[in-house]
Amino acid sequence: SQQGEEDPQALSIQEGENATMNCSYKTSINNLQWYRQNSGRGLVHLILIRSNEREKHSGRLRVTLDTSKKSSSLLITASRAADTASYFCAIRSGGGADGLTFGKGTHLIIQP
Amino acid sequence: GAGVSQSPRYKVAKRGQDVALRCDPISGHVSLFWYQQALGQGPEFLTYFQNEAQLDKSGLPSDRFFAERPEGSVSTLKIQRTQQEDSAVYLCASSSQRDRVSNYGYTFGSGTRLTVV
Repeated sequence: SQQGEEDPQALSIQEGENATMNCSYKTSINNLQWYRQNSGRGLVHLILIRSNEREKHSGRLRVTLDTSKKSSSLLITASRAADTASYFCAIRSGGGADGLTFGKGTHLIIQP
Repeated sequence: GAGVSQSPRYKVAKRGQDVALRCDPISGHVSLFWYQQALGQGPEFLTYFQNEAQLDKSGLPSDRFFAERPEGSVSTLKIQRTQQEDSAVYLCASSSQRDRVSNYGYTFGSGTRLTVV
């Protein structure tokens, strides 16, 4: 079953604008990760935030985590056409499960 | 190799046929995962290996699915008597981390797209 839920399911913005995607989850977590998937390709790891962290940056990416609300957001600043892809959050639960639990993803389209 | 390699890239199988999907993880990576991704969905966990030991197979949907990693490197996911609902992309991922709760991301392969007709 898929625990993480991304919102919105689809997002279309103009190049240069910022894109924000949200993820909600239900159980306790050890960490939360964001991945990007281009059409027909595998997933690429973007950023990992631990349960005791609240914010993390990597280049044009900013991730926040609110464990009290069981939610995370991914912000992509100054978007580029190459950012067009599907973005998934993945939960590493605190229950000892070995795999990541992914959401259904947000499909982001950057219009030139 | 530099990345996780999966083969074949595409596989069309007739219903009832057996298939074998191969994953070559990054050399030296201890942990290996298989995921199933249906069209328009996120990946769903199938199974996890630490070296040659299959430590978690709770995600395998039925006893028609079998995975092995006999020498702790290459892994094969086998699906017996394929059915149409098995059509999906099968993704393999590896990680260098040994701990069960890794604080590092995984490296994914490009996947095998299986179509059962």
